[in-house]
This record gives sequence, structure tokens and C-alpha cells, in this order.
Amino acid sequence: DAGVIQSPRHEVTEMGQEVTLRCKPISGHNSLFWYRQTMMRGLELLIYFNNNVPIDDSGMPEDRFSAKMPNASFSTLKIQPSEPRDSAVYFCASTPGQGVGQPQHFGDGTRLSIL
Amino acid sequence: AQSVTQLDSHVSVSEGTPVLLRCNYSSSYSPSLFWYVQHPNKGLQLLLKYTSAATLVKGINGFEAEFKKSETSFHLTKPSAHMSDAAEYFCVVSANFGNEKLTFGTGTRLTIIP
Repeated sequence: DAGVIQSPRHEVTEMGQEVTLRCKPISGHNSLFWYRQTMMRGLELLIYFNNNVPIDDSGMPEDRFSAKMPNASFSTLKIQPSEPRDSAVYFCASTPGQGVGQPQHFGDGTRLSIL
Repeated sequence: AQSVTQLDSHVSVSEGTPVLLRCNYSSSYSPSLFWYVQHPNKGLQLLLKYTSAATLVKGINGFEAEFKKSETSFHLTKPSAHMSDAAEYFCVVSANFGNEKLTFGTGTRLTIIP
């Protein structure tokens, strides 16, 4: 079975540019999570959706970050304008969304470098 | 509220010797607990999960963990380390109440000495 699919795997761009990260959750999963991982701060939850609706976006750093889930099989995380401090690995994860206490299934991440 | 503390940031063991990665948790509600492994340039992979059934949980690749409520611990063990076990390991707690958010430990880097 296909797992969580993220694209691109690597992104290098100059500061000020718009960056769009993409995620396809596991088919049938109703909850989707975006995380950011850095050496300094570890793994941080940015936002999560249930049935395509944002449930908690308290981890989104600032207005430069936005996330959408237009349908059950696709989500984007956008940074505009990007800054060097946004450099990190961004992970997407999904769960069946059938209640609390469920393990999350992670994609392989997008390594983002802002020059 | 819940939290998790991984007691060692780095553990080194020789190949073929036992592995012990320590984790203590705090939760206001009966928790679900997980261990994840992350290999370089990869996402987090679920090793095992505890969800209030048997207190000794067996996972993939020969790992197991024991839930000890009296000690609020969920330590990860493996009888014999293999070179392929070298990775970062995360202990994770879910409150089983409220929302689906997980709380991650800071990770333990496991090094295997040939």
C-alpha cells in the first residue's frame, strides 16, 4: 500500500520566493498533520486537519505560512515570502481520523533550504 | 496536559548487546504511547504502540516496550543490537482525550559500535 507521499523531496530557493510543499495522505485517512523538524526545536506540529477542515493551526509560525486541504487526497503548505529561518525538514502525516490515541503515518519529508 | 521525557539524548551500544532507551511520561488521562524510529533522510516510522491492552508491547525489528504505570515509564528494549538499528528514536504520548495531537520526546540517537 502507498504511504504518505510528499513532494518535492528537496527544495532550494532564494529568500523572498514562494514555496509550496505538497502532501498526499494515505487513502481513507481523514486526518492530516504538517510538522517542521529542526535541530534546534525538534519536531513541531504546525497544523492539522480533520475531514479537510483545519482543527488546530496554533503552531503555524506567522502569516507567511498557510495550509490548505481542498480534498481528502491532497494538502499544501505554502510559505510566502520565504526566509532563511524557514529552512527545515517538513513532514506530513495522516491517520484514519477515527478518534484520539491513533498512531500517525509519516511521509519521508521535504528538505527545504532557503538561501 | 501530557509530556514525555527521554532520559538519554545519545546511547551507544556494541553490536549484539542489549539496547535500552528510556522514556518517562506524564498524562492527565489514560495515555496511548508510541515509539517511532527515524533513519537518516527518512520520515518517522512506527515501531510499536501501547493502547491500554497488554503492558508488554512487541514491535517490529525485535523491539519491545513495557508500560509501567507505577513508574510512569515506557522504556524501549531489544535483546541484541544490529548495525541497522542505528537511528533516532522518539517516545510519543497521546492523551486519549480531546484532539488527535501527539506529544513527542526530544529523541534518543542510538549508535551501534561494530
